[in-house]
Amino acid sequence: SQKIEQNSEALNIQEGKTATLTCNYTNYSPAYLQWYRQDPGRGPVFLLLIRENEKEKRKERLKVTFDTTLKQSLFHITASQPADSATYLCALDKSTGRRALTFGSGTRLQVQP
Amino acid sequence: EADIYQTPRYLVIGTGKKITLECSQTMGHDKMYWYQQDPGMELHLIHYSYGVNSTEKGDLSSESTVSRIRTEHFPLTLESARPSHTSQYLCASSPPGQGWNEQFFGPGTRLTVL
Repeated sequence: SQKIEQNSEALNIQEGKTATLTCNYTNYSPAYLQWYRQDPGRGPVFLLLIRENEKEKRKERLKVTFDTTLKQSLFHITASQPADSATYLCALDKSTGRRALTFGSGTRLQVQP
Repeated sequence: EADIYQTPRYLVIGTGKKITLECSQTMGHDKMYWYQQDPGMELHLIHYSYGVNSTEKGDLSSESTVSRIRTEHFPLTLESARPSHTSQYLCASSPPGQGWNEQFFGPGTRLTVL
């Protein structure tokens, strides 16, 4: 069956360090993968999109990689700040022609000052 | 801040009541979605629409129904609410174009059925 796996354990890091979050998937051949941020009690907010033919995408302090061979995406936040504390979700399409996303359960990031 | 709105934000009702969760967007997006999310869990797609008069069921079986009579409006209705419907309901929209556009989410409706 198709699965999206994100580390369910919270990631705790010190301010200023780089946070790296992992998204693994099985039995998918996504054309693209997206990362979202979700704060408690609120809807997710889009951060970055990466296509299957792109290895890496950057936006300010954020970097996403996409390895279709390993079926894995890594999400990096450099120079992390306490304000980066949130749950980060990866999402991908099922490549069935349906223009909808399937989301992972997310990884909670806690940046300590 | 995305221009997508959901009302009510919180709703506590008794079993058997009919409810409608409202979702509106002012961005002219053609695609709209409803997700259900329990605390700490993933979002599950329950309904989506590609445009006016187009609705499809999502991955998670739901007793709710939706309609898309106007581009900007995508309400979700539960004819007879039950405690198992207690959850957070998130509405999202996506602009016209290829499938790989980002989704814009509303603030959600937290539903509690007693």
